[in-house]
Amino acid sequence: RKEVEQDPGPFNVPEGATVAFNCTYSNSASQSFFWYRQDCRKEPKLLMSVYSSGNEDGRFTAQLNRASQYISLLIRDSKLSDSATYLCVVLDSTLTFGKGTMLLVSP
Amino acid sequence: GAVVSQHPSWVICKSGTSVKIECRSLDFQATTMFWYRQFPKQSLMLMATSNEGSKATYEQGVEKDKFLINHASLTLSTLTVTSAHPEDSSFYICSASIDSGNTIYFGEGSWLTVV
Repeated sequence: RKEVEQDPGPFNVPEGATVAFNCTYSNSASQSFFWYRQDCRKEPKLLMSVYSSGNEDGRFTAQLNRASQYISLLIRDSKLSDSATYLCVVLDSTLTFGKGTMLLVSP
Repeated sequence: GAVVSQHPSWVICKSGTSVKIECRSLDFQATTMFWYRQFPKQSLMLMATSNEGSKATYEQGVEKDKFLINHASLTLSTLTVTSAHPEDSSFYICSASIDSGNTIYFGEGSWLTVV
């Protein structure tokens, strides 16, 4: 059974903090990896894809370690608007979602 | 704007009735669409893969006679929850891909409450 594991949180951080989320996946043949953001009672929205070399988009940095089957997301200078659930998503023959990690950024 | 549109956003129905949810791809043709279900504080779980012009492929544990999927055109897939029960109350989301998986677009989701 394919699994994607995440710490459910919630992570409570103050504005401006740096926070890191981790994710592990069980299927070593997985091809593509993503981080999605899901706001309460809304559909998931793509935050960023995760590449083997690591990639950065503004305050967000994603990294992939295929050997350890591990994906991470780093958010720097947290904003109130970053409060959401962050879903780790792995693609092989289908998309497999983690349960998500909830982030709460407080003033 | 939305690339995949889902309707209705919210629906309340009586136990025993059937509910149809529509998923439309806007501006592109989707030979494959996916239907997911998400219970509170749970991850999205793939229910079935909807294939245009052929039968849907259901995931293990999903009753194909209860969750009817029709993908009659390249821009429309429908999910019908038949004889709905309160335990079917959930968030149902569809998705479609333009480039065989690397770009996934989700519908806005449909909240189903069965009373």
